[in-house]
Amino acid sequence: QQKVQQSPESLTVSEGAMASLNCTFSDGTSDNFRWYRQHSGKGLEMLVSIFSDGEKEEGRFTAHLNRASLHVSLHIREPQPSDSAVYLCAVSITGGADRLTFGKGTQLIIQP
Amino acid sequence: SVLLYQKPNRDICQSGTSLKIQCVADSQVVSMFWYQQFQEQSLMLMATANEGSEATYESGFTKDKFPISRPNLTFSTLTVNNARPGDSSIYFCSSRDRGPGQLYFGEGSKLTVL
Repeated sequence: QQKVQQSPESLTVSEGAMASLNCTFSDGTSDNFRWYRQHSGKGLEMLVSIFSDGEKEEGRFTAHLNRASLHVSLHIREPQPSDSAVYLCAVSITGGADRLTFGKGTQLIIQP
Repeated sequence: SVLLYQKPNRDICQSGTSLKIQCVADSQVVSMFWYQQFQEQSLMLMATANEGSEATYESGFTKDKFPISRPNLTFSTLTVNNARPGDSSIYFCSSRDRGPGQLYFGEGSKLTVL
């Protein structure tokens, strides 16, 4: 059973500084990793998906995947206060690429 | 991309009643997924629904409690039977476009059971 843990639980970063979020997973056979964010009271916004080891950039969002280390990270370049939200890491359930297990999220606060 | 519309956005019901949540996609999609999110918690996959077949439920979720219909390639309904206060949460539908694998989510339906 895939287990997903995110760290830190909460992160405060100054506007313009790089924000880095971490996610570890238990099953290294997964090939499907996604980052979403959720503003308070809103739905999920797709940020970046990555399917192989290495780096994937989507605008200001970059995901790094290292399956050997069971680790995927998200880096946000030049964050703005509007980027303040809960960031969720999602990993495919073993045997089901579109069926996701989510972490509990990182609350990101961008201070002006 | 796929846009998913959920109805209702929020609802309040009494214990013991049943509630239906609809999910409509703006294009045909193969699979639809339903997730449950308790306040301040992460999302939990409930079931997968494909057209013309019975939904497949994850551990902890049953079709008696959460029957799901998928009558066509753009529509799905989740029903919460015999609702209890412990069912109060936000329910999301999700699906993927036909591309390389972007998974999209609806805006969510917040259910409060009194």
